[in-house]
Amino acid sequence: EAQVTQNPRYLITVTGKKLTVTCSQNMNHEYMSWYRQDPGLGLRQIYYSMNVEVTDKGDVPEGYKVSRKEKRNFPLILESPSPNQTSLYFCASSSLLRDRDHEQFFGPGTRLTVL
Amino acid sequence: AQTVTQSQPEMSVQEAETVTLSCTYDTSENNYYLFWYKQPPSRQMILVIRQEAYKQQNATENRFSVNFQKAAKSFSLKISDSQLGDTAMYFCAFMKHIFNKLTFGGGTRVLVKP
Repeated sequence: EAQVTQNPRYLITVTGKKLTVTCSQNMNHEYMSWYRQDPGLGLRQIYYSMNVEVTDKGDVPEGYKVSRKEKRNFPLILESPSPNQTSLYFCASSSLLRDRDHEQFFGPGTRLTVL
Repeated sequence: AQTVTQSQPEMSVQEAETVTLSCTYDTSENNYYLFWYKQPPSRQMILVIRQEAYKQQNATENRFSVNFQKAAKSFSLKISDSQLGDTAMYFCAFMKHIFNKLTFGGGTRVLVKP
């Protein structure tokens, strides 16, 4: 089954304690990205990756890091989380090939609370 | 930069009735895609319908249809014969052609009442 998986699904942590949210896709997609969802603001892109070792900032990158060492994985790293990073996070992937549909496939979301 | 605006934070509709969600966007691009996503209480993002800007014909998917007005930069979603399972948050989203980044509106919460 084609899917995007995220772990953990829920996380409560404290300010300053480094954490990583994992994202993995099994569709051989080139493009992967992270979004955060906040009330009234919809989803906003944090970082994206066009392929292995190619990453770039989205609209709200401050306080986050990413890496793309393998095509299937795109972890989101919060080195020193703060309460304003309390949010719902989504990973998404899609194909960049010109002859493929560019539909975004979303993971199930990770609810993060930073105390 | 593109912006997407959903002016209705919440809407309610009686079961079997029709509801229309509005969405406007701002872009200087000519080739792009527009989407409506549904987010039920499970929080999963579900693609409802997509529209390619170069197609003049409005997209339809079963009970869901759009009214795409390219000149006015408007992209409304009509839900016909509303069902209880349509209760969800709905997001309008824009994507530049072949760029893959989605820009979302703030969302409209739809409540279908029995």
